[in-house]
Amino acid sequence: DGGITQSPKYLFRKEGQNVTLSCEQNLNHDAMYWYRQDPGQGLRLIYYSQIVNDFQKGDIAEGYSVSREKKESFPLTVTSAQKNPTAFYLCASSSGRGGELFFGEGSRLTVL
Amino acid sequence: DQQVKQNSPSLSVQEGRISILNCDYTNSMFDYFLWYKKYPAEGPTFLISISSIKDKNEDGRFTVFLNKSAKHLSLHIVPSQPGDSAVYFCAASPSAYSGAGSYQLTFGKGTKLSVIP
Repeated sequence: DGGITQSPKYLFRKEGQNVTLSCEQNLNHDAMYWYRQDPGQGLRLIYYSQIVNDFQKGDIAEGYSVSREKKESFPLTVTSAQKNPTAFYLCASSSGRGGELFFGEGSRLTVL
Repeated sequence: DQQVKQNSPSLSVQEGRISILNCDYTNSMFDYFLWYKKYPAEGPTFLISISSIKDKNEDGRFTVFLNKSAKHLSLHIVPSQPGDSAVYFCAASPSAYSGAGSYQLTFGKGTKLSVIP
């Protein structure tokens, strides 16, 4: 089945550690995105990538990094510089022509 | 400053009745709007969209209305069913077909809909 796979679903991290969230899609979509959701908040854009080897910062990129070496993959690294990393992270993709995003099931990161 | 606002954090509706979820926006460059539905601990799923060239789009029990002059859109669910209980996000984009800007959706904070059997 075509879709977006995020892993891990749950992740615990100690303060000061970097952690990488995986996102893979087999929808043949050009664009991929990372959003963050906090309780009572909407989805806020962290980074997005329109094509391989290219990505742009979203509204809240500080403390995060990404790479886009393959069309199918868009991993997100939450670095120790991110002051409040505990959140629900959502990866999405789109063909880029209709605005509709397809989301993965999310990864919940908890910093202990 | 919030560019997409969903002023009702929650809404309760009796099964079989109409659910109306509202969304306001402030950015005049937005001309493509989407509604997403989200269950807890899952990713949002696309429900319905509308372009600014229309004022209504219908898909089964779901209808979205757009009032450009008021910068307001609403999602109507008729009849409401218990399975519709979820958080609904309104999202907006500068254009569905323009360049880089079309990739960035701005989301509202969501409205939690509870449909009571």
